[in-house]
Amino acid sequence: DVKVTQSSRYLVKRTGEKVFLECVQDMDHENMFWYRQDPGLGLRLIYFSYDVKMKEKGDIPEGYSVSREKKERFSLILESASTNQTSMYLCASRTKIFGKNIQYFGAGTRLSVL
Amino acid sequence: SQQGEEDPQALSIQEGENATMNCSYKTSINNLQWYRQNSGRGLVHLILIRSNEREKHSGRLRVTLDTSKKSSSLLITASRAADTASYFCATDRNTGANSKLTFGKGITLSVRP
Repeated sequence: DVKVTQSSRYLVKRTGEKVFLECVQDMDHENMFWYRQDPGLGLRLIYFSYDVKMKEKGDIPEGYSVSREKKERFSLILESASTNQTSMYLCASRTKIFGKNIQYFGAGTRLSVL
Repeated sequence: SQQGEEDPQALSIQEGENATMNCSYKTSINNLQWYRQNSGRGLVHLILIRSNEREKHSGRLRVTLDTSKKSSSLLITASRAADTASYFCATDRNTGANSKLTFGKGITLSVRP
């Protein structure tokens, strides 16, 4: 079974702090994604990476950056956390093999910025 | 930008009843997928239907796709309390090997024991 692991289930940070959210997948997937989920807004794509060191902005990249130094790990970085970044963050991965475009999700990280 | 829009936003039914959830989208797609999310957890893939398919079954799940109306429905038969969750449709336009999914806002299903 594919396993996508997010390093923390819950995080509490202060405004202005630099925050790292880590995601690791064990299936050698090329594509990895970071979403945020807010009530009434569904899932919104922040960034995705289609291979090591490759990244592309999603729909709401402002205030975030990402790092993909190794294939299995995709990090989301909040350079200076703000209260409006309080949210549920979901990581997902997917293989590039044609016809296998199902995404596998981690359990999520609920981030509170105070 | 959101493409999939689910309907209704919330659904409450009795155990044993069938649950029908709908999804509409705006542009042409390669495939449409349904995901489930238990409270406070990540999403889990349920079923994928391709644009050249009209109906697909998986256990108690039945998905239909009408590309002329740009809509899909997910039917859960003989519902159980454990089916209580949020359900999301996601569309894949297949713009290439790196295509992305666009998720709807989700439907909250409550199944009363």
